[in-house]
Amino acid sequence: SAVISQKPSRDICQRGTSLTIQCQVDSQVTMMFWYRQQPGQSLTLIATANQGSEATYESGFVIDKFPISRPNLTFSTLTVSNMSPEDSSIYLCSVGPPDYEQYFGPGTRLTVT
Amino acid sequence: DAKTTQPPSMDCAEGRAANLPCNHSTISGNEYVYWYRQIHSQGPQYIIHGLKNNETNEMASLIITEDRKSSTLILPHATLRDTAVYYCIVLYSGGGADGLTFGKGTHLIIQP
Repeated sequence: SAVISQKPSRDICQRGTSLTIQCQVDSQVTMMFWYRQQPGQSLTLIATANQGSEATYESGFVIDKFPISRPNLTFSTLTVSNMSPEDSSIYLCSVGPPDYEQYFGPGTRLTVT
Repeated sequence: DAKTTQPPSMDCAEGRAANLPCNHSTISGNEYVYWYRQIHSQGPQYIIHGLKNNETNEMASLIITEDRKSSTLILPHATLRDTAVYYCIVLYSGGGADGLTFGKGTHLIIQP
């Protein structure tokens, strides 16, 4: 199993600013994923972040808006840039090969005012 | 990934078996059926997965029909803590770095 922590757990940010969310895993993992969950909605995959390569973004998500870093096998960051109220969501990271059990962090609840 | 269809909500009495259906009529031969759940304000939690045989673990049982076009997740003795949104996901074995595609899921409410 893997234990995942995220920082911050929640934040309230002003429109136009940026927030960097951290994801820390207690073991080395190759694949890490970032998801967004808008209010009352299901989870949507933002991007896949593998160590040593550029993140791969899903349709509708771009690197300029959601830059991702993956400096080592236990850590990743997601930045939400130039925020607007539409970015208010829960952002979750997960780890593990998606063809088996995937472990999720507790999420970061972001409110943009 | 193949599309799945689940009822939006279900109720179940505490202590009874909760049976959650999922239709995946376009599933391919090498695609697995996965179940996750998300308890309010938490990250999703893996429950169980299977290919074509029925599977059981400490949390639940998974029954997959012979034609693999539908499945049922069974929580044998539901408790109030099982109230959550349950997601049925179809995924290629060895699919690599595709992540998970979540549908709307079934909101299961366990009634005392």
